[in-house]
Amino acid sequence: QKEVEQNSGPLSVPEGAIASLNCTYSDRGSQSFFWYRQYSGKSPELIMSIYSNGDKEDGRFTAQLNKASQYVSLLIRDSQPSDSATYLCAVNTGGFKTIFGAGTRLFVKA
Amino acid sequence: DTGVSQNPRHKITKRGQNVTFRCDPISEHNRLYWYRQTLGQGPEFLTYFQNEAQLEKSRLLSDRFSAERPKGSFSTLEIQRTEQGDSAMYLCASSRGSNEKLFFGSGTQLSVL
Repeated sequence: QKEVEQNSGPLSVPEGAIASLNCTYSDRGSQSFFWYRQYSGKSPELIMSIYSNGDKEDGRFTAQLNKASQYVSLLIRDSQPSDSATYLCAVNTGGFKTIFGAGTRLFVKA
Repeated sequence: DTGVSQNPRHKITKRGQNVTFRCDPISEHNRLYWYRQTLGQGPEFLTYFQNEAQLEKSRLLSDRFSAERPKGSFSTLEIQRTEQGDSAMYLCASSRGSNEKLFFGSGTQLSVL
């Protein structure tokens, strides 16, 4: 079992819709959870962090964490073509090593 | 620009040659990480420095790989006797203190022919 699992996609949504990205992780001791966005040919860029159960909202982005289910999600409201990218879920178990999933490719159709 | 800087951006080398990459982290960040990313995969952890001390190396990092961070500033990653399987994007990231938020450089794309 991979430590951080994501559906590779591609996930295709129309412009203005809500995109829902999901991630599961295997280490119950994980403490910090992140979503990075990576455009093709570019390096990952942090867009959200979440540390406790529940929802965290930042603009059009909402991160959701359920530690009991070992599940993290990212919602993107009012999706724009510029949101088309690969979204990487990342998990830190409390040390210095952050483990990344393989990413979900998102396409937002204009 | 005070972001993470990596060079070169691209490196093409022949199998068996040695290559060295450089990373300059954000100046106030004391933690520095090297990751490797291949097409369709997420970044894979290679090694981590806190100041000048290398505190962990992944088992992915064979004896052909070595990393240094002299004086706790910039870091270098050297690959000796490169193999075609070493072809990947090598990403450097830095963070401040115990904050695990990683700031990535633009990466070095290595192609081994």
